[in-house]
Amino acid sequence: RKEVEQDPGPFNVPEGATVAFNCTYSNSASQSFFWYRQDCRKEPKLLMSVYSSGNEDGRFTAQLNRASQYISLLIRDSKLSDSATYLCVVISPGGGADGLTFGKGTHLIIQP
Amino acid sequence: NAGVTQTPKFQVLKTGQSMTLQCAQDMNHEYMSWYRQDPGMGLRLIHYSVGAGITDQGEVPNGYNVSRSTTEDFPLRLLSAAPSQTSVYFCASSYSPGFGYTFGSGTRLTVV
Repeated sequence: RKEVEQDPGPFNVPEGATVAFNCTYSNSASQSFFWYRQDCRKEPKLLMSVYSSGNEDGRFTAQLNRASQYISLLIRDSKLSDSATYLCVVISPGGGADGLTFGKGTHLIIQP
Repeated sequence: NAGVTQTPKFQVLKTGQSMTLQCAQDMNHEYMSWYRQDPGMGLRLIHYSVGAGITDQGEVPNGYNVSRSTTEDFPLRLLSAAPSQTSVYFCASSYSPGFGYTFGSGTRLTVV
């Protein structure tokens, strides 16, 4: 089993819809979790951290399910500008600079 | 506040040439890392540093050297370029891995 897995998509979603995608991780002792957004030919940008109790930032909700070892990202009322690749990042025990594992990303396309 | 600055943005090298990719950050971050991103491979860690004078290897260090003489700068040197090093290179910095990383805009390198 790969360390961090994401459905590559693409997810084609009409504008205004709600979309959710998951990221599974293999190390049950993983400590920290993040969602990054990467636009085409641009750098990854931190979207949000994922907290154990779940957290929300505007239209975005991130959740952690430790029992099933996955994190999720839900986007409500999707906008054309949400089209991007969403990367999950998992930090392994120890939490050092070499402990970050990036998923390969889920490609989201919001259609007008 | 410039964040993380990478130069050059684009570079074409001939096989066997050497060059240095520059990375500078103005956020006083101790943690800095170099990643390469290839299609279908996700982001892979090349080298990282946890402070001035301290560097270590990541997942794919062969063919690359780094140094960290100051907190601000973390250059990546390609010793003898090979076509397999054609990639997009990202430099990133962080106050602490648990807080997420800020990425530079990347260097697109082609080795012919």
